Amino acid sequence: GAGVSQSPSNKVTEKGKDVELRCDPISGHTALYWYRQRLGQGLEFLIYFQGNSAPDKSGLPSDRFSAERTGESVSTLTIQRTQQEDSAVYLCASSLVAIQETQYFGPGTRLLVL
Amino acid sequence: GENVEQHPSTLSVQEGDSAVIKCTYSDSASNYFPWYKQELGKGPQLIIDIRSNVGEKKDQRIAVTLNKTAKHFSLHITETQPEDSAVYFCAASPTAGKLIFGQGTTLQVKP
Repeated sequence: GAGVSQSPSNKVTEKGKDVELRCDPISGHTALYWYRQRLGQGLEFLIYFQGNSAPDKSGLPSDRFSAERTGESVSTLTIQRTQQEDSAVYLCASSLVAIQETQYFGPGTRLLVL
Repeated sequence: GENVEQHPSTLSVQEGDSAVIKCTYSDSASNYFPWYKQELGKGPQLIIDIRSNVGEKKDQRIAVTLNKTAKHFSLHITETQPEDSAVYFCAASPTAGKLIFGQGTTLQVKP
């Protein structure tokens, strides 16, 4: 079946602009996650959704970052007033439920802020 | 909060040899420990995981051990092959939905 998909695959933007990153989880997965991966680094947890609600937003780096999920499906991660330090790969994952379940990752969106 | 340390950062082995990667975690509430393999330009892919109620799990050439008392867990790959070359990440889950990842180990298997 189809895996997690993300769009765009690459995004180049200018400092100060807003960007939206999209994630389509595996059909039927109730939990959805966002991570950030800087070059050569591990993954940093940003936020996770159970259904359409976000029980844990503790990883969002600043109030410039926000995310929403609608219809227990698609999720959008928005970064406002982008900064050069926001440059990274943004990875989305989904799982059947949130507890001790395999997280399946998408290919990521590579964001470059000039 | 939870902190996961992973060692070594790079590992080079000859084809056919074994590779071992070790991780330690800080939060005793963590109860789920997956290992992911990431190839260049791709998202991480789960290769094996272990839950806190078992001490060891094996899947063909891959095994994971968990010592909850010492708060460490390890990945063992036997009979390594060139296609095992990738970056490997360990992770720990201190609360539902959250994975805290180690910094990664770049494994190179030389033919």
